[in-house]
Amino acid sequence: DAGVIQSPRHEVTEMGQEVTLRCKPISGHDYLFWYRQTMMRGLELLIYFNNNVPIDDSGMPEDRFSAKMPNASFSTLKIQPSEPRDSAVYFCASSQTPRSYEQYFGPGTRLTVT
Amino acid sequence: GQQLNQSPQSMFIQEGEDVSMNCTSSSIFNTWLWYKQDPGEGPVLLIALYKAGELTSNGRLTAQFGITRKDSFLNISASIPSDVGIYFCAGRPSGTYKYIFGTGTRLKVLA
Repeated sequence: DAGVIQSPRHEVTEMGQEVTLRCKPISGHDYLFWYRQTMMRGLELLIYFNNNVPIDDSGMPEDRFSAKMPNASFSTLKIQPSEPRDSAVYFCASSQTPRSYEQYFGPGTRLTVT
Repeated sequence: GQQLNQSPQSMFIQEGEDVSMNCTSSSIFNTWLWYKQDPGEGPVLLIALYKAGELTSNGRLTAQFGITRKDSFLNISASIPSDVGIYFCAGRPSGTYKYIFGTGTRLKVLA
């Protein structure tokens, strides 16, 4: 079975540019999570969706970050405008009711903002 | 962000040895997860724990949900070179899907 798919795997962009990260959850999973991983702060939850509806976005750092889930098989995390401090690895994870507490991670997108 | 205390931070062991690591918190959790992360990859779920005192195995890995609900333990028996990586614990408070992740234990196995 295909796991969580993320694209691109690596992204290098200049400060001020818009960045869009993409995620395809595991088929049939009804929860989707976006995380950010840095050396200083570890893994942090940014936002999560249930049945395509955003449930908790309290981890989104600021208004420059936005996330959407237009359908059950696709989600995007957008940063506009990007800043060097946004450089990190961004992970998408998904889970499925009734074992919705078990989250399965994608391979991540390494973002570098210069 | 908040992170759980995980120890040891890193360890070198000989192939064939058993490994133990733990995660502690000042808060009570309802779920503990253990993950392994290889360089350049996402965390891979190893074991999920749901009840205080629960002991669960996955091959050579065994994890326990602490009785106080504030800690969890992971043991790896007869380590092999492919066990190299970073192991993370994650604790989930009641009523939320927001896990708090540990600081990680970096395991290095000497053949």
